[in-house]
Parts: sequence; structure tokens; C-alpha cells
Amino acid sequence: ETGVTQTPRHLVMGMTNKKSLKCEQHLGHNAMYWYKQSAKKPLELMFVYNFKEQTENNSVPSRFSPECPNSSHLFLHLHTLQPEDSALYLCASSRGTSGYQETQYFGPGTRLLVL
Amino acid sequence: QKEVEQNSGPLSVPEGAIASLNCTYSDRGSQSFFWYRQYSGKSPELIMSIYSNGDKEDGRFTAQLNKASQYVSLLIRDSQPSDSATYLCAVNSNAGNNRKLIWGLGTSLAVNP
Repeated sequence: ETGVTQTPRHLVMGMTNKKSLKCEQHLGHNAMYWYKQSAKKPLELMFVYNFKEQTENNSVPSRFSPECPNSSHLFLHLHTLQPEDSALYLCASSRGTSGYQETQYFGPGTRLLVL
Repeated sequence: QKEVEQNSGPLSVPEGAIASLNCTYSDRGSQSFFWYRQYSGKSPELIMSIYSNGDKEDGRFTAQLNKASQYVSLLIRDSQPSDSATYLCAVNSNAGNNRKLIWGLGTSLAVNP
């Protein structure tokens, strides 16, 4: 699926580093999402943006800071992460956030390892 | 706490057989239901969505929804080794102030040649 792209695909960082994940969607969608996927756990919704406005912050620690400059781009800024933050971070987009518009399409993900 | 339950498996079927994957959910107000396939090391990809009670067919895949019993299932006919993956069920739910998708843990399917 090339409709949603994510960079980098792999990231190794120390606990004192600052890094950013980037997501871009080419589907003309209005809603974008960040998810965390860890082993043995369901997909965890982190943030939702609809028309550039944040509509969901699922009690995510402040060391994760999202940014959505427009409907096509979404960033996740990372700082002072913990080893337990190591996971696959997935970006998704959808046309909208209700009814038939809420079908989500995922990017390839960023595999993050925090040392 | 809104939940989506799936049998984690692994579910093992021979090539050419029908694979049946099941999902139950707790929110009676849920209206949208999705099946995604996730290969190891890859991201989820949409297989089907279903919104009304009954069956919805797309090629070898059939989704079945029963809102009264709060379950949704996915049937894969003529299973192929390439169908071996984890299948995720997602259900929309009113959680807090917003509607959002609640995800199951996924069922691992192995199709044996």
C-alpha cells in the first residue's frame, strides 16, 4: 500500500535522544492516526487528528508529541523515551471518523528500538 | 471497558479448506466492523468491512455479522498458504467522547500445503 508512507522504517535511539517519525498520506483523507503495536497486545490508539485538529489523545505520555501541519502529514516527536516504548508505530488515515468514512488504511510502520 | 475478543490461535487448516475466524464484541452500539490481515513484520491491510447483519462476500472471503449475538466472523474459502497471517478484527465503539476502533488481539492462521 503506497497510499500511506512512513519514515524511517527502522529507528534505534537512546533514552536521551530526540527523534521524529513522519507519516504522509496520498489518499486525500482528512483523518490521521498514530497507533502503537506491541507483542501480545492489541493495537493501541495514541492520537487522532481530523482536519488537522487533534480529536483524541489516549492518555499518551508527554514524551510522545504529535504534530499535524496539514491533512496529509503527521509527525510523532519522540524524546526521553523508555525501553518499554520499543514497538511498531503505525500511522493510518481515513476519509473521516464516522460511518462509512472511518475505514482506516495503514502505512508500513516504523520499528522503534529504545536502548 | 469496550472489548473485542478473538481466539489467538494458531488456527491450522489444510490448503483448500475453509478457515473460519471469529470475533465477539461488547458494545451493542457498534455499527462498523472490519477485518484486517497482518503478515509477520508488516502492517495491517484491510480485507473487508461490514455494517449490516448478514453475509458479505468478496472473492474467497465472506464476512458474517450478527449484531444480536454480538459477533462477526470471517470465512476464507479455498485457503492458500499465502493466507497464513494474523487476522485482526476491529469494531467501532463509543469510548469516551469519540467513536473509535477497538481492536482484537488477532487470530494467527496457518494454512498447510
